Amino acid sequence: GENVEQHPSTLSVQEGDSAVIKCTYSDSASNYFPWYKQELGKGPQLIIDIRSNVGEKKDQRIAVTLNKTAKHFSLHITETQPEDSAVYFCAARTRRGGSQGNLIFGKGTKLSVKP
Amino acid sequence: DAGVTQSPTHLIKTRGQQVTLRCSPKSGHDTVSWYQQALGQGPQFIFQYYEEEERQRGNFPDRFSGHQFPNYSSELNVNALLLGDSALYLCASSSGAYNEQFFGPGTRLTVL
Repeated sequence: GENVEQHPSTLSVQEGDSAVIKCTYSDSASNYFPWYKQELGKGPQLIIDIRSNVGEKKDQRIAVTLNKTAKHFSLHITETQPEDSAVYFCAARTRRGGSQGNLIFGKGTKLSVKP
Repeated sequence: DAGVTQSPTHLIKTRGQQVTLRCSPKSGHDTVSWYQQALGQGPQFIFQYYEEEERQRGNFPDRFSGHQFPNYSSELNVNALLLGDSALYLCASSSGAYNEQFFGPGTRLTVL
């Protein structure tokens, strides 16, 4: 089945710097890759997603890139702010074998933005 | 427009007991997926409901069961609770199985 690896597990940056989180997936049939932000005591919040027919997507300070050949995708946050501090999860969804849309998550990256 | 809601917020049970968790999807959504999130881990897929039927199931034992009602709300039931069932249980809703999933705040279950 699908497996998603996420790195790094923790990331500390200075306010204003950029942060990059990387994920790799194992199933070449995966076609949808969302990123979630989870703050303490809350459920995951969808912040950006990308589908397999697109190589890059940007939304203000957040961007995601996808390399289907290498089977990896990355989250880029520019001009980080203290309120970006949270745990970020990548996920992948496959349609192999009749799968109807469950997400496989990475283990998460704890991002700390220091003022 | 309310997002995904879950109840209760917190729950404490003892080993061997049974528990029912509830989820109301975001307005306009017809598909509900349940995930278990252990401390420090990513969410793990339990099962997904669409048109009141379980459409897909993750690697969880039969002690975990669910239901979806005609109004698209859903319940997760866990029987014969084990200490290892302690986790945050998340409900996610979507419009169809292949669209974006939006999560609720979760129910924190503690099994003593």
